[in-house]
Amino acid sequence: SYVLTQPPSVSVAPGKTARITCGGNNIGSKSVHWYQQKPGQAPVLVIYYDSDRPSGIPERFSGSNSGNTATLTISRVEAGDEADYYCQVWDSSSDHQVFGGGTKLTVL
Amino acid sequence: QVQLVESGGGLVKPGGSLRLSCAASGFTFSDYYMSWIRQAPGKGLEWVSYISSSGSTIYYADSVKGRFTISRDNAKNSLYLQMNSLRAEDTAVYYCARDRGWNSLYGMDVWGQGTTVTVSS
Repeated sequence: SYVLTQPPSVSVAPGKTARITCGGNNIGSKSVHWYQQKPGQAPVLVIYYDSDRPSGIPERFSGSNSGNTATLTISRVEAGDEADYYCQVWDSSSDHQVFGGGTKLTVL
Repeated sequence: QVQLVESGGGLVKPGGSLRLSCAASGFTFSDYYMSWIRQAPGKGLEWVSYISSSGSTIYYADSVKGRFTISRDNAKNSLYLQMNSLRAEDTAVYYCARDRGWNSLYGMDVWGQGTTVTVSS
């Protein structure tokens, strides 16, 4: 089955740039989505189709996807960005949705 | 406003059954694929099941295949998850989500608030 690998945690100072990676075999050939989840809340889609932002998501959030790594980039990080972030793809070989293990973003 | 509201969670003994519901409003439910996703306490997101807009195509995670059944009633704007032979490891918050595009091409853009299922004797 297809596996997505994320770092368990990323720390960043306010105002700096956070980068959260999502590794998978030839992930560049898939459509990658990113979700933000704050404690006690449902996930929120922040990036879809590798790099598109849903309405209402700040431009500070961006995404890229190439080769074996997709990346969620959060520029000018704010305290309110502290959350768990999950990447997700559709694995067409198994017809399964797949989530990464999640990355806890800590704003120092 | 676009909304999904889950219900039906609760405490159930191992081997028991439960039926979750997800009521959709604010959008044309019959136009969208839908998914169930769960999150065990302190753990990450785990996809459970997916159903096409017409209900003709259904997929399950290996961990629930043969025990869970997803269905939908487009006339009632509702999604369901029938869970049988429940195990302790099924304990989780269960979310329904609106899936965009075939094979989640554009991600899941609307999520419910979740309903909690606890499997314990």
